[in-house]
Amino acid sequence: ETGVTQSPTHLIKTRGQQVTLRCSSQSGHNTVSWYQQALGQGPQFIFQYYREEENGRGNFPPRFSGLQFPNYSSELNVNALELDDSALYLCASSYTGTGGFNEQYFGPGTRLTVT
Amino acid sequence: AQTVTQSQPEMSVQEAETVTLSCTYDTSENNYYLFWYKQPPSRQMILVIRQEAYKQQNATENRFSVNFQKAAKSFSLKISDSQLGDTAMYFCAFISYSGGGADGLTFGKGTHLIIQP
Repeated sequence: ETGVTQSPTHLIKTRGQQVTLRCSSQSGHNTVSWYQQALGQGPQFIFQYYREEENGRGNFPPRFSGLQFPNYSSELNVNALELDDSALYLCASSYTGTGGFNEQYFGPGTRLTVT
Repeated sequence: AQTVTQSQPEMSVQEAETVTLSCTYDTSENNYYLFWYKQPPSRQMILVIRQEAYKQQNATENRFSVNFQKAAKSFSLKISDSQLGDTAMYFCAFISYSGGGADGLTFGKGTHLIIQP
């Protein structure tokens, strides 16, 4: 197991509601990336946070937003939930410094169901 | 934009056999990494093996090895002496380092590998 934790494990929300998912990064890591994995699909990159700022973003609308805290933990917020937001949300932490390779360590994910 | 294609939705082999999972990718980048991740039913994504594009030598990790063909943009995973615990979804993934890694990983749709006893 990695040292990346996510909460909650499962979540059920109603269309139109807002949701916050949480991720604690592995010790020594300063970067958090979020991915959405729909059923039967590979994960899709939502965004990445480094030094408490959004560092990169995939093809997701602005209602997907995030935060990174001084301890490098992170939140993913989704507003105005839609049925298609039902998915497994994965958080991955890594260390960004000098050098080219920053392995991403994944958490166990949060299963979000929107009804 | 980069794309990763895995053309085998599901594969099934007998325990102890060797199996090869296919992956092709498309990119105009020259500096990138390729990965194979394993996702068992527990959902935790686990890195199996990685390959730096600038290295010609194929990566090997115990029973896992890759066949990296840069010109053909092909990156297959070979699992030797397969074990029941290898049963999982396997994802091929790509990341470019021209943007410092901030573009995130691009994943294929996955191959469901079943090891039969």
